[in-house]
Amino acid sequence: AQSVTQPDIHITVSEGASLELRCNYSYGATPYLFWYVQSPGQGLQLLLKYFSGDTLVQGIKGFEAEFKRSQSSFNLRKPSVHWSDAAEYFCAVGAPTNAGKSTFGDGTTLTVKP
Amino acid sequence: SQTIHQWPATLVQPVGSPLSLECTVEGTSNPNLYWYRQAAGRGLQLLFYSVGIGQISSEVPQNLSASRPQDRQFILSSKKLLLSDSGFYLCAWSVWGVGNSPLHFGNGTRLTVT
Repeated sequence: AQSVTQPDIHITVSEGASLELRCNYSYGATPYLFWYVQSPGQGLQLLLKYFSGDTLVQGIKGFEAEFKRSQSSFNLRKPSVHWSDAAEYFCAVGAPTNAGKSTFGDGTTLTVKP
Repeated sequence: SQTIHQWPATLVQPVGSPLSLECTVEGTSNPNLYWYRQAAGRGLQLLFYSVGIGQISSEVPQNLSASRPQDRQFILSSKKLLLSDSGFYLCAWSVWGVGNSPLHFGNGTRLTVT
């Protein structure tokens, strides 16, 4: 069975500082990996995805993530955080036959200090 | 472009009352459709998914049911709500037949059972 762990429940960074959100997954084969962002009271928006190929993937809003098979990780990064990045971030792992049946982590809440 | 509509945005219902949440997708045909539930401070739990009209798969035993009467319409129902049914319900779609298609979410329904 697939599973996802986001070790950090809450992270606070200063505006302009760099950001890294951690995600560890468990899956028997090459996983489909996703990062989604959720603003309060809203649905989730896809930031980026990894299926195969280049292990460093670029997403929207200046985010990137790196797939590291040896560490079973897919950490999300941003070089310089903006106040508008404050939100909840979810990592998800999907099954090859139906990525919609994704398993989500519990999320990391990002607070941005001015 | 594709859009997904979910309503109502908020709902307060007494215990024992019925429930009907509706979701429609525009701009795509034969999508995979999903109902997820998000508990406070937790990730998303897949409740139901559908790969076609009248085809519903339940992921967890519960007090809820789902139906897909039309290609792009997905309904979440209950005959008698329980307190434990409170939560944030999200409808989502993905591209049928594309195993790595990410999820596209609606804005959710906040259900409070009193």
